[in-house]
Amino acid sequence: DAGVIQSPRHEVTEMGQEVTLRCKPISGHDYLFWYRQTMMRGLELLIYFNNNVPIDDSGMPEDRFSAKMPNASFSTLKIQPSEPRDSAVYFCASSSPTGFGTEAFFGQGTRLTVV
Amino acid sequence: AQTVTQSQPEMSVQEAETVTLSCTYDTSESNYYLFWYKQPPSRQMILVIRQEAYKQQNATENRFSVNFQKAAKSFSLKISDSQLGDTAMYFCAFNAGGTSYGKLTFGQGTILTVHP
Repeated sequence: DAGVIQSPRHEVTEMGQEVTLRCKPISGHDYLFWYRQTMMRGLELLIYFNNNVPIDDSGMPEDRFSAKMPNASFSTLKIQPSEPRDSAVYFCASSSPTGFGTEAFFGQGTRLTVV
Repeated sequence: AQTVTQSQPEMSVQEAETVTLSCTYDTSESNYYLFWYKQPPSRQMILVIRQEAYKQQNATENRFSVNFQKAAKSFSLKISDSQLGDTAMYFCAFNAGGTSYGKLTFGQGTILTVHP
């Protein structure tokens, strides 16, 4: 099991550019989550999917953020246009409902720096 | 909405000693799950231990154990025989159970430093 795979590990971009973060969940997991980690706000849930369908996107900060899950093995988080305040570590996680409160397995995160 | 509070921004301990990290939470749910995650400098989020609210027995995983006080809404993590590799940020997290599989609300984190 390769775990949750995120790419890239690091991304540096200029303000105003489009940024796309990618995630491959663990095979067989049908829940996928995008979290953001900042010093000011800690870890916060942005959006999550169940069976490729967005269930709750209330954590998405602005319309500049969008997420898709075209199939069970791939998801993207896009920021367009990017701003310096979007600089953060973005985590993807996946889980499977083998029981109540199943743990989430995290990828290694993408550190985004917008200059 | 649930909230999770970790009141200790930083803690330190000597190698081989015991340290306890505090966590309190607020919820109206009766069945839920609590977790402690470890985030070392590598950035990877690693599950340390979890507790089901309907279980009165405190969870234990090797050197890690919890003190779960449901009425007080408290969920502390005890690390025994601390090791240098335990140096990391520790997050307490809440999951409401039901259909919210894997959906977590995190505390602010506690940076733990283990000194040789």
